[in-house]
Amino acid sequence: EVQLVESGGGLVQPGGSLRLSCAASGFAFSTSWMTWVRQFPGKTLEWVAEMNPDGTRIGYLDSVKGRFTISRDNAKNSVYLQMKNLRAEDTAMYYCARDLSWGRTDYWGQGTLVTVST
Amino acid sequence: DIVMTQTPLSLSVTPGQPASISCKSTQSLLHSGGKTYLHWYVQKSGQSPQLLMYEVSSRSSGVPDRFSGSGSGTDFTLKISRVEAEDVGVYYCMQGIQFPQTFGQGTNLEIK
Repeated sequence: EVQLVESGGGLVQPGGSLRLSCAASGFAFSTSWMTWVRQFPGKTLEWVAEMNPDGTRIGYLDSVKGRFTISRDNAKNSVYLQMKNLRAEDTAMYYCARDLSWGRTDYWGQGTLVTVST
Repeated sequence: DIVMTQTPLSLSVTPGQPASISCKSTQSLLHSGGKTYLHWYVQKSGQSPQLLMYEVSSRSSGVPDRFSGSGSGTDFTLKISRVEAEDVGVYYCMQGIQFPQTFGQGTNLEIK
């Protein structure tokens, strides 16, 4: 059974940091592109970051460049999203997902909620 | 960035009747390799998004054949031939041809 389990979300003040983790199982993680997608309270979906299997190709949404860092540990079947200098507009549910091919995202986690507020 | 525009944003359909959602992109989603990277997702209440259709017209595993996708270049359509109660949810198109991958605003399908 495929599982993607996110953790690390929570309430943080503006300017603060969080590190999201996603533990994968049930599929070939080490050969998979992994992505983070967020969903705002109004239900809009937004792609945030993506990394190829060996970590040599990475993409970021412009609004998170320089603040968010995606990384992975293939030995632990895990992908991470380090988020710094958080803003109120980063408040969202963050999903970890597997991008099988050019946006064909076939596995999704249940999400972890990030709230940036005083 | 490629902007994805869906219409309508809301749809109320009687069970057994058809439904159609349009999705338009500001750039062609046809890759030089011949594939078109336009995908459809559905999010049901309380659940994560799930892949419905990929590369315009291929159904994801387990998706019933009442769902079909069509289109090319910048104009795409998702059709449900006969809506059922279980089809309630928010439908999103998404382009995967370039970073950042971008989604449409979502179409909320409800049953009359």
